[in-house]
Amino acid sequence: KQEVTQIPAALSVPEGENLVLNCSFTDSAIYNLQWFRQDPGKGLTSLLLIQSSQREQTSGRLNASLDKSSGRSTLYIAASQPGDSATYLCAVYGNNRLAFGKGNQVVVIP
Amino acid sequence: GAVVSQHPSRVICKSGTSVKIECRSLDFQATTMFWYRQFPKQSLMLMATSNEGSKATYEQGVEKDKFLINHASLTLSTLTVTSAHPEDSSFYICSARGRNQETQYFGPGTRLLVL
Repeated sequence: KQEVTQIPAALSVPEGENLVLNCSFTDSAIYNLQWFRQDPGKGLTSLLLIQSSQREQTSGRLNASLDKSSGRSTLYIAASQPGDSATYLCAVYGNNRLAFGKGNQVVVIP
Repeated sequence: GAVVSQHPSRVICKSGTSVKIECRSLDFQATTMFWYRQFPKQSLMLMATSNEGSKATYEQGVEKDKFLINHASLTLSTLTVTSAHPEDSSFYICSARGRNQETQYFGPGTRLLVL
């Protein structure tokens, strides 16, 4: 069974600092990996999707890397802003299902 | 991007009653729909997967007679929580995927509170 772990569970950073969020998974036989954003009481917004054959994806201030062999992904958010405050979920797709981590809860302090 | 809606967004009900949650794909045909539940500060846990016109496939530990799923059309799936109890209080999220799509599109979720 795929296990997805996200570290740290929660973090607070001052505005302007770069954010580094880590995700690890136990079964490297994945089809793709996705990072989502979830605001309190809301659904999921897809941020980046990395195919298993890719090493990274970038969108604006966001960059996600994937090391499938070691079962790790990192989400970088450059120059954080208060609007980046949210929970970030990592999910891996394999065996015809998405397996989610518990999330990284981020607070960016103005 | 593809849009998935859920209704209602929030529902409060008495213990013992049944609650129906709708999930709709607004601009694409969803051949597969997924139902998740999420407890505070926890992962999304897959409850069941349904393909249009077929019976849902439930995850281990999920009672199919309690959580009734219907996927009668390519744009609508419903989850009915029967005889709801306070421990069923949770955030329920659906997602949908079209034919030949690899991405699931998520709905905004439904907050269920059972008193």
